[in-house]
Amino acid sequence: EIVLTQSPGTLSLSPGEGATLSCRASQTVSSSYLAWYQQKPGQAPRLLIYGASRRATGIPDRFSGSGSGTDFTLTISRLEPEDFAVYYCQQYGSSSLTFGGGTKVEIK
Amino acid sequence: EVQLVESGGGLVQPGRSLRLSCAASGFTFDDYAIHWVRQAPGKGLEWVSGISWNGGTKGYADSVKGRFTISRDNAKNSLYLQMNSLSAEDTALYYCAKAIAATMNDAFDIWGQGTMVTVSS
Repeated sequence: EIVLTQSPGTLSLSPGEGATLSCRASQTVSSSYLAWYQQKPGQAPRLLIYGASRRATGIPDRFSGSGSGTDFTLTISRLEPEDFAVYYCQQYGSSSLTFGGGTKVEIK
Repeated sequence: EVQLVESGGGLVQPGRSLRLSCAASGFTFDDYAIHWVRQAPGKGLEWVSGISWNGGTKGYADSVKGRFTISRDNAKNSLYLQMNSLSAEDTALYYCAKAIAATMNDAFDIWGQGTMVTVSS
């Protein structure tokens, strides 16, 4: 099973600032089958990025994904008030899919 | 409107069984793989199981292998999860989620709102 480790656990930032979230895999994620999701309290997760860098439908361009192999990054260029949430990475390249533990982006 | 609606959750005693359902609408159900993902109270997301478009490929997390069985009925646009030998560690909100493609190895673009399963005596 591929273990995904997300860092930091919590990111305290102000609206307008940029955010960089990390996801490190215990083994190579094949074909960059890595996705990022946003989850707000009481809501289901929402797909932001798939294929490591492809934005899902309707996702603003302030969200971008990068990386390959074992190291992946989600970047939010300028935080909007609605971006404060928990973010999860997920790998779907193996027979057992896995999620990272999440990074909470909170208002400073 | 593309929608997934889960049902079947509730309070169940340890060791008992429960069957969850997920009803799909607004898209061609048998074109896509579908998955179950759970979230224990205050915790992160955990992939539970997935099934390909035609049911030919199924996968399970180690934590549920041998106890849970995923199935689908494309004629009824429905997904199921049969959960046996439940324990307190299975207490969670269970989501069904649609994959972007027909095979299991893809991201999840549509999620339901979840059904809560509580295992307690």
